[in-house]
Amino acid sequence: DTGVSQNPRHKITKRGQNVTFRCDPISEHNRLYWYRQTLGQGPEFLTYFQNEAQLEKSRLLSDRFSAERPKGSFSTLEIQRTEQGDSAMYLCASSPAEVRGAVWFGPGTRLLVL
Amino acid sequence: AQSVTQLGSHVSVSEGALVLLRCNYSSSVPPYLFWYVQYPNQGLQLLLKYTTGATLVKGINGFEAEFKKSETSFHLTKPSAHMSDAAEYFCAVSGVSGGSNYKLTFGKGTLLTVNP
Repeated sequence: DTGVSQNPRHKITKRGQNVTFRCDPISEHNRLYWYRQTLGQGPEFLTYFQNEAQLEKSRLLSDRFSAERPKGSFSTLEIQRTEQGDSAMYLCASSPAEVRGAVWFGPGTRLLVL
Repeated sequence: AQSVTQLGSHVSVSEGALVLLRCNYSSSVPPYLFWYVQYPNQGLQLLLKYTTGATLVKGINGFEAEFKKSETSFHLTKPSAHMSDAAEYFCAVSGVSGGSNYKLTFGKGTLLTVNP
């Protein structure tokens, strides 16, 4: 069990650019989540996958955001036409289906939009 | 709808003193409750959780929390603080059933400082 990994750990981009983050969950976990954490706040739910199916998207996830989980393994989160308000820590987490609520978090990707 | 309120964004204690971090929740369904800890430059780590059964739950590193339904609280305690406990602590709630049982709603966090 190597834990949840996220790449890159840090990303600096200019406003208007597209960025993509990757998350590799714990291998036997079929649930995968994305959360966003801004300074002084707790993580906020963005989206959730069970295997390859995206089952819920938060209203926080505007149409500039898209997440995928092909083949039910790793996941990517893409932000198009980044805005300064997108600057945040993007957290990925995973869990087995039978464990409600308790999840294993990755270290996060910190995004700074200039 | 669910929400979590953590009283005190910053708590400072002396090494060896009692740690008490407060959490109150609001939930329209019986909640599952969690405390997560975030050390600098690390991901969130589960400290403990309450699902059903015994209302006093023990977690890692000597922490424990008590679920009090009448007070809608889930305060985190540790009898004796250690320097290594310095971190940010998040209380979270999820629903028991239906579509909300996988989604965590977090409080804003409490930064714990331990003074030598």
